[in-house]
Amino acid sequence: QVQMQESGPGLVKPSETLSLTCTVSGGSIANYHWGWIRQPPEKGLEWIGVMFHSGSTSYNPSLKSRVSISMDTSKKQFSLKMNSVTSADTAVYYCARDPVDGYGHFDSWGQGSLVTVSS
Amino acid sequence: EIVLTQSPGTLSLSPGERATLSCRASQSVDNKYLGWYQQKPGQAPRLLIYGASNRATGIPDRFSGSGSGTDFSLTISRLEPEDFAVYFCQQYGNSLYSFGRGTNVEVK
Repeated sequence: QVQMQESGPGLVKPSETLSLTCTVSGGSIANYHWGWIRQPPEKGLEWIGVMFHSGSTSYNPSLKSRVSISMDTSKKQFSLKMNSVTSADTAVYYCARDPVDGYGHFDSWGQGSLVTVSS
Repeated sequence: EIVLTQSPGTLSLSPGERATLSCRASQSVDNKYLGWYQQKPGQAPRLLIYGASNRATGIPDRFSGSGSGTDFSLTISRLEPEDFAVYFCQQYGNSLYSFGRGTNVEVK
C-alpha cells in the first residue's frame, strides 16, 4: 500500500518561496504521475500541477508562472516550489498519485501539510 | 481550461435518504476522465468514483456515478451516518486537471 508524506516549513514569509517535498513509501515512484493539490482554509480543492511519468510537467494556468515540480527518483521524492507567495497561498498542500490507468484521477493522497504565509 | 460547477452547494438530508449531487462542465469531458472524491473534516480527499461510473476499491455500492458530456452526477442511494461529508468532482483533459468547488452533504 503506497503512502505519501508531505514535509516542509509550516510558515513562509510573503514574497518568499514555498518549498514542499513528498516522500513516497510502500511502492514505486516510477510509472506514475505525481501531483500537488492545495486547499485554502474552508475552501475547495485547487490543482497546482503534475509531473508525468515521462518527466514532463503540467501546471494550473493560474499558477504556472510561479510554480515548478521536480523529482528525485533515487530518494523516492518529488517537490513543489512556489515563488512570490502571498497570504492567498495559505493552504493545506497535498501530494497525490495518478495511477496512470487511463482515467486521470488521484487514487492515493498524502495527509496534507498546512502552509501559512505570514510575516 | 475546463471549469466544473457543482450543485447544490449544500444538501441537507436525513440518514436513509437518497442524495443526488450534480457536476456540470464548461465544455465536454471524456467520460473516462471524470472522478468523484469524498472529504471529511481534517482528512485528505478519498477517491470514490473514476471514469464517471467505476467505484474505487472498497467503496460501497450505495455510491454510484453517471453522466456524460457536460453533465455528471453522484448518487448515494441511502445515506449512512459516515456519508455526511463534502464531495468534489474532478476532470482531466489536455494535460490539465481541475476540481469543482464541492457539495456539502449535511445532516438535516
